[in-house]
Amino acid sequence: LAKTTQPISMDSYEGQEVNITCSHNNIATNDYITWYQQFPSQGPRFIIQGYKTKVTNEVASLFIPADRKSSTLSLPRVSLSDTAVYYCLVGDLTTGSARQLTFGSGTQLTVLP
Amino acid sequence: DAGVIQSPRHEVTEMGQEVTLRCKPISGHNSLFWYRQTMMRGLELLIYFNNNVPIDDSGMPEDRFSAKMPNASFSTLKIQPSEPRDSAVYFCASRIGSTNEQFFGPGTRLTVL
Repeated sequence: LAKTTQPISMDSYEGQEVNITCSHNNIATNDYITWYQQFPSQGPRFIIQGYKTKVTNEVASLFIPADRKSSTLSLPRVSLSDTAVYYCLVGDLTTGSARQLTFGSGTQLTVLP
Repeated sequence: DAGVIQSPRHEVTEMGQEVTLRCKPISGHNSLFWYRQTMMRGLELLIYFNNNVPIDDSGMPEDRFSAKMPNASFSTLKIQPSEPRDSAVYFCASRIGSTNEQFFGPGTRLTVL
């Protein structure tokens, strides 16, 4: 299983760009990298997914270097409502083996006014 | 669509009792996941169904846990007998196709006294 490592917590201020890095040294060839956001008392919510290089959607960007042993979630201009736990997930659902799914320990992002 | 529906939202029971958690996935989704979340262990995948068939249940902690998916719109997670260490938030998630985008339900907070 591809174990992931993330910082436990991060603080930022409103309007700043936040980058959260996840290490996944044992990522397999078919693994994708997915990030989820979780607010208290709610289930996680999908943010973004990627395999290599850069992926961007309306809420975030995901940067994956060539060796794929790490990834960085970038949140542009955060607001107070972005305060949440962010999880890095590495796995390949297409192979049919759910044991390849690994949630990281999560990073508590706190956005300050 | 109402999203993934879980019931009950909260369950308090006594050690030794049987507990049944229920999940209705999003209509049209063909995969269903059961997760458990605790402070100590984080978010753990328990079992994964694809087209109503259990693909991998190696995350199920022990024989006291069982899960079924009798049809595409309903799944149950049963704990019998329950123990205090089973206290956690149990999430159900569903997805369509083979993407990594899972849609999580609101969770069931289980307390075993």
